[in-house]
Amino acid sequence: AQSVTQLDSQVPVFEEAPVELRCNYSSSVSVYLFWYVQYPNQGLQLLLKYLSGSTLVKGINGFEAEFNKSQTSFHLRKPSVHISDTAEYFCAVLDFGAAGNKLTFGGGTRVLVKP
Amino acid sequence: EPEVTQTPSHQVTQMGQEVILRCVPISNHLYFYWYRQILGQKVEFLVSFYNNEISEKSEIFDDQFSVERPDGSNFTLKIRSTKLEDSAMYFCASSDSLGEQFFGPGTRLTVL
Repeated sequence: AQSVTQLDSQVPVFEEAPVELRCNYSSSVSVYLFWYVQYPNQGLQLLLKYLSGSTLVKGINGFEAEFNKSQTSFHLRKPSVHISDTAEYFCAVLDFGAAGNKLTFGGGTRVLVKP
Repeated sequence: EPEVTQTPSHQVTQMGQEVILRCVPISNHLYFYWYRQILGQKVEFLVSFYNNEISEKSEIFDDQFSVERPDGSNFTLKIRSTKLEDSAMYFCASSDSLGEQFFGPGTRLTVL
């Protein structure tokens, strides 16, 4: 079974500073990787995804992530955060089961952007 | 832009009561899912559904849970006899194939 580890449960950051959210997964086979954002009292919104191809993936709102197969990582970055980026961020891996294709989520990283 | 919708947004029920959470997936999608998120915890997979049957379920999805696609548009999650620990946010998702899953806004279930 897959597992996803998000090493930081909370990341405080000042507005306009860069941020990196770390994500490591366990797998020895091909994977699909995702980052979702959850704003307060809202559902899950896809930020970006890695399915294949270039290891540097660009998403919405200026976010990007880099797939590193040798380190089994998929860290999320943004060079300059805004107050509106305050949210919880979830890394997820697509688990190819026999018939289903469930997502396995990490524990989430809460980003608090301070003025 | 098509989206997954869920009703109700918030459901309050007494312990032992049955609840039905409703979802309308994106119309041309073939795979449907339920996930839940207990307050302050990670999002957990419950069940996936394809071709009118369950394709995979987690250990959380015991005999108290069931899913159904009663018509061509709705996808429901039923909890037969709710427990306090069923209080959570329940997310429905759908996908057209292996790959991106589109999530609904969630139903917050509160069991008293």
